[in-house]
Amino acid sequence: DTAVSQTPKYLVTQMGNDKSIKCEQNLGHDTMYWYKQDSKKFLKIMFSYNNKELIINETVPNRFSPKSPDKAHLNLHINSLELGDSAVYFCASSPLGRGEETQYFGPGTRLLVL
Amino acid sequence: QKEVEQDPGPLSVPEGAIVSLNCTYSNSAFQYFMWYRQYSRKGPELLMYTYSSGNKEDGRFTAQVDKSSKYISLFIRDSQPSDSATYLCAMVVGGSEKLVFGKGTKLTVNP
Repeated sequence: DTAVSQTPKYLVTQMGNDKSIKCEQNLGHDTMYWYKQDSKKFLKIMFSYNNKELIINETVPNRFSPKSPDKAHLNLHINSLELGDSAVYFCASSPLGRGEETQYFGPGTRLLVL
Repeated sequence: QKEVEQDPGPLSVPEGAIVSLNCTYSNSAFQYFMWYRQYSRKGPELLMYTYSSGNKEDGRFTAQVDKSSKYISLFIRDSQPSDSATYLCAMVVGGSEKLVFGKGTKLTVNP
């Protein structure tokens, strides 16, 4: 009965490869997010989707492309991986997408680019 | 200057100590203030939420907001080893969808 789940938990890959991370929430929330947490634990928003519509798109390289097939799923595809992409990527969801709502985070995907 | 500043620590205290964690911010439009707790290798989870200046208490935890000084604090009384985690402050402008996090303070409570 996991609320927000992500796959895979760990991802080790070579520079230049393309990879995808999947996220699913079973909370019935309208809004989902992708965050990046760097090695210094700084958590920064990348994207948010509300009911499959892109709402927030921070200054993220266009090698990163989110896709939301339905409001329960938000996937992140990364092209041409670079060393600097190594980080922990967290998916989160909130009921309506208002900033003051509680956000529920997944367990994270640890990406290491070699 | 970053919008939200938080001392990353690390902070190490003995069990039973009172812990004070702090954040400062520069954007006076921030209206909602949260503290998230993140255990090692886990996602953050909401610990406390407040939107007005003053204190809010929940068990051993007290969140304090001083909007005039642009300063928020989280106090932990009678700290326990299970409180060992990274604590992230977060805040949002009213009407905005975007939560802005501090860098997090790593706390270790030693038995």
